[in-house]
Amino acid sequence: DAGVIQSPRHEVTEMGQEVTLRCKPISGHDYLFWYRQTMMRGLELLIYFNNNVPIDDSGMPEDRFSAKMPNASFSTLKIQPSEPRDSAVYFCASRPGGFSGTDTQYFGPGTRLTVL
Amino acid sequence: DQQVKQNSPSLSVQEGRISILNCDYTNSMFDYFLWYKKYPAEGPTFLISISSIKDKNEDGRFTVFLNKSAKHLSLHIVPSQPGDSAVYFCAASSILTGGGNKLTFGTGTQLKVEL
Repeated sequence: DAGVIQSPRHEVTEMGQEVTLRCKPISGHDYLFWYRQTMMRGLELLIYFNNNVPIDDSGMPEDRFSAKMPNASFSTLKIQPSEPRDSAVYFCASRPGGFSGTDTQYFGPGTRLTVL
Repeated sequence: DQQVKQNSPSLSVQEGRISILNCDYTNSMFDYFLWYKKYPAEGPTFLISISSIKDKNEDGRFTVFLNKSAKHLSLHIVPSQPGDSAVYFCAASSILTGGGNKLTFGTGTQLKVEL
């Protein structure tokens, strides 16, 4: 079974440019999450969706960040304009609906973003 | 404000010995705790979890201990193997604020198991 798929795996861009990160969750999963990992703060939840609807975006750092989920198999995280402090690894995760017993989330391999 | 803290950025252990990874939390509303393991260039993968109604959960070589009064949990790996070398993240959630949909992670501990 394919896991969570993210693209690109690496992104290098210049300050001020728009960056779009993409995610395909595991088929059948109802929840999709976007995280950011930095050395100082670890893994931070940015936003999560349930059945394509954004439920909690309280972790989105600024208006420069936006996320969409147009259908059950695709989501994007966009940063416009990008800044050097946005450099981090961005993870997408998904999980089934209902209580799984462990609340396990399944993570993609991440996108390493570098903003010069 | 870091609600889940892993104060040891790294830990080195010899193969066959016990590895003990520690995690402290400040939010008394947390009622579920998880450990994730992460290899380089991969996403975190779930390892083991514990509910706040328990103080111990065991799965093979991995045991998680929870001390609610101290707001402290630890992950024990016995015996440690070279393949256990990875970054370990502690995470916590509260049923009152989204349960498993709002995990609060620590900053991770890099475990290195040496031959």
